[in-house]
Amino acid sequence: EIVLTQSPGTLSLSPGERATLSCRASQSVTSNYLAWYHQKPGQAPRLLIYGASSRATGIPDRFSGSGSGTDFTLTISRLEPEDFAVYYCQQYSSSPNTFGQGTKLEIK
Amino acid sequence: QVQLVESGGGVVQPGRSLRLSCAVSGFIFSSYGMHWVRQAPGKGLEWVAVISYDGSNKYYVDSVKGRFTISRDNSKNTLSLQMNSLRAEDTALYYCAKANSSTQRGYFDYWGQGTLVTVSS
Repeated sequence: EIVLTQSPGTLSLSPGERATLSCRASQSVTSNYLAWYHQKPGQAPRLLIYGASSRATGIPDRFSGSGSGTDFTLTISRLEPEDFAVYYCQQYSSSPNTFGQGTKLEIK
Repeated sequence: QVQLVESGGGVVQPGRSLRLSCAVSGFIFSSYGMHWVRQAPGKGLEWVAVISYDGSNKYYVDSVKGRFTISRDNSKNTLSLQMNSLRAEDTALYYCAKANSSTQRGYFDYWGQGTLVTVSS
């Protein structure tokens, strides 16, 4: 199975700053079948990005995804208060689907 | 709008069974694969099982193979997860999630709010 490793584990930033989250795969994620989600406390995860770089419906353009192969990045250009949450990457190129362990984005 | 509502969670003793359900609305259920994803308390997300749009293909994470069975009733817009021989490590919030495709592959574009399963004596 493909193991996804996210870094950093915790990211402390202030509103208005830029956030860069990393997701590294143990083997190549074919067709860039990589998605990003965020999860706020007490809520279900929400899809942000699919296909490594396509924004899901209703997701603001401050969220962007990039990368290919084994290295992927989620960038939030200017943090809003509602962006502080846990972020997960997920690969769907090979079975089983796997998630990264998550990056907690917290207010500094 | 798309809605997924899970039910059936609860407290159960090790070795016993539980059946989860997910009632869906707002999309053509019979056209999409459906998944179960779980989250142990304070932990990350773990994919559990998937069923294709017509129920012909089913896949499971290794830790639940032979114990859990995913199924669907397209006439009732309902997804189910039969969980047998439950273990303490199955304790988690169980989410049903809609796939973006008809097959077992795909990302999860909609999620329910989850139903909590606690396995404890």
